[in-house]
Amino acid sequence: EVQLVESGGGLVQPGGSLRLSCAASGFTFIGYGMDWVRQAPGKGLEWVSYIGKSSSPIYYADSVKGRFTISRDNAKNSLYLQMNSLRAEDTAVYYCARELSGTYDLWGQGTLVTVSS
Amino acid sequence: EIVMTQSPATLSVSPGERATLSCRASESVRSNLAWYQQKFGQAPRLLIYGASTRATGISARFSGSGSGTEFTLTISSLQSEDFAVYYCQQYYKWPPRMSSFGQGTKLVIK
Repeated sequence: EVQLVESGGGLVQPGGSLRLSCAASGFTFIGYGMDWVRQAPGKGLEWVSYIGKSSSPIYYADSVKGRFTISRDNAKNSLYLQMNSLRAEDTAVYYCARELSGTYDLWGQGTLVTVSS
Repeated sequence: EIVMTQSPATLSVSPGERATLSCRASESVRSNLAWYQQKFGQAPRLLIYGASTRATGISARFSGSGSGTEFTLTISSLQSEDFAVYYCQQYYKWPPRMSSFGQGTKLVIK
């Protein structure tokens, strides 16, 4: 089955860190660029970061630049998001998404990150 | 930065009727426009790309049109499963420094 499964979300204090993972299966992972997209509670979709097929290029939204790091392990068919210096406004469901020519044609079910003391 | 604006914020339509959703870009995105459907508690699903091409497995009741700055998603003969939130997304200028998505239109049952 073609799917993406995120994990690693949870409750973290402001200033803390968290690492999200996304396991891909059912397709040739190395053939696609991958993204993280987030959605704050009751809000719309916000693009977070992109990584190319061979880990280059890498891009970040201004809102997370310098705090988040995207990476991938093509041998493990996995995508990661290391989130440091977390803020309350980072609270959201984080989706990994497969990119196809600028659109997102496959999404995971999402993992909730809550930043609160 | 290209800003995507969707209207209306909420659209109330009866089952069996047609729904028309709008998306406007602050500058031309040519035909680099996608539409997504998101049901409550679920991940978004790609419906339309290239402004008018249906994604794999998407019902012919969904159609997209437009180019440049004005786009429309039309859903004919609404079914119960169509009531959801719909987002447009531009991918002409990419990567975006800010969000490339519109704020969404919530389609509710009248």
